[in-house]
Amino acid sequence: AAGVIQSPRHLIKEKRETATLKCYPIPRHDTVYWYQQGPGQDPQFLISFYEKMQSDKGSIPDRFSAQQFSDYHSELNMSSLELGDSALYFCASSFKIRAGNTIYFGEGSWLTVV
Amino acid sequence: DAKTTQPNSMESNEEEPVHLPCNHSTISGTDYIHWYRQLPSQGPEYVIHGLTSNVNNRMASLAIAEDRKSSTLILHRATLRDAAVYYCILRDGGNTPLVFGKGTRLSVIA
Repeated sequence: AAGVIQSPRHLIKEKRETATLKCYPIPRHDTVYWYQQGPGQDPQFLISFYEKMQSDKGSIPDRFSAQQFSDYHSELNMSSLELGDSALYFCASSFKIRAGNTIYFGEGSWLTVV
Repeated sequence: DAKTTQPNSMESNEEEPVHLPCNHSTISGTDYIHWYRQLPSQGPEYVIHGLTSNVNNRMASLAIAEDRKSSTLILHRATLRDAAVYYCILRDGGNTPLVFGKGTRLSVIA
């Protein structure tokens, strides 16, 4: 079965540069979530979108923004990158329609800021 | 968010059953109990979830206390591939995000 696809899988950027991560949810899923996981940390929720509208907001820095497009894919834009932004970024998706639905995660995008 | 409490780590022998406990004394009536696991450098993987009744799937079983204030994830025969961090998370459904706590790091000994 198709899973959540993230690209790129690895990205190296310099401080103060900008990075964009892409996420393609499972077909027919209408909700996308973004998570950040630093070294030795647990995944931290950043932001989510349902039907192209922001749904929930977590600990997303002001330097980051995200959106969900008409084809339901999502992009996380990160500007003025800092060394502390080096982390594994996960995208996840789900289908909202009923309670107890399952969220499925992608394999993640490794961002290294040097 | 309702909070869950899990042991930091547990150890099991290969091919033996593993019982991973989770306390969630402030669970609300609409909270589902979700279990995810994460292998090193991989995305969290759905294991199982339930509301009130015990649940079984090909990966595991979930036993939910009658008062719903605790639950136990049961791996029937641990394998080396089951070594991971296991997260017990309460979520009230719809498009509410998962909020990860500390989880239990399970080690499996051959």
